[in-house]
Amino acid sequence: AQSVTQLGSHVSVSEGALVLLRCNYSSSVPPYLFWYVQYPNQGLQLLLKYTSAATLVKGINDFEAEFKKSETSFHLTKPSAHMSDAAEYFCAVNRAGGTSYGKLTFGQGTILTVHP
Amino acid sequence: DSGVTQTPKHLITATGQRVTLRCSPRSGDLSVYWYQQSLDQGLQFLIQYYNGEERAKGNILERFSAQQFPDLHSELNLSSLELGDSALYFCASSDWTSGDLEQFFGPGTRLTVL
Repeated sequence: AQSVTQLGSHVSVSEGALVLLRCNYSSSVPPYLFWYVQYPNQGLQLLLKYTSAATLVKGINDFEAEFKKSETSFHLTKPSAHMSDAAEYFCAVNRAGGTSYGKLTFGQGTILTVHP
Repeated sequence: DSGVTQTPKHLITATGQRVTLRCSPRSGDLSVYWYQQSLDQGLQFLIQYYNGEERAKGNILERFSAQQFPDLHSELNLSSLELGDSALYFCASSDWTSGDLEQFFGPGTRLTVL
């Protein structure tokens, strides 16, 4: 079985500060990992994905995440927060290999607030 | 714009009723997924179809059913609705055969059961 834990349901940062959103996963097979962002009243948009290539993954809007197998983590970072980054962020895992590529398992989400 | 469309955007109905949510995947995507997002359960996978066939099932209630049609659009049918079924329902699609596991999400249908 696979699962995702996002540490911190709410994170608040000042504009220009580092953003760090934490995600730990559990998977019995090599995972494929994703970060999605959800703006109010909108669907989910993919920020970045890890699919067993480079462990440091760069995404849109200067976000990046590092896959650390030893720590079973896939934390999302951004060097400098913008007001427009305020949204809810979801980490998700999809099982690599086998016949079931389908199911994305999501974490509970982290709401990011950016203060001026 | 992800290329995935969902209708309707909002749906308000009463307990005991039946509704149908519709999804059109991105052009060329054969795989469609349905998810439910609620405050207490978060984002939960419901069901996946690939080229008209059911591929994977998640936490989908027996009162809920889905299908994918030859033109690849999908419908999620919710019957005997209860207050607790109020949620945001997302459809996503992917090009499963290419090995690209990225799923593209539609804007969702917000269901309110009164």
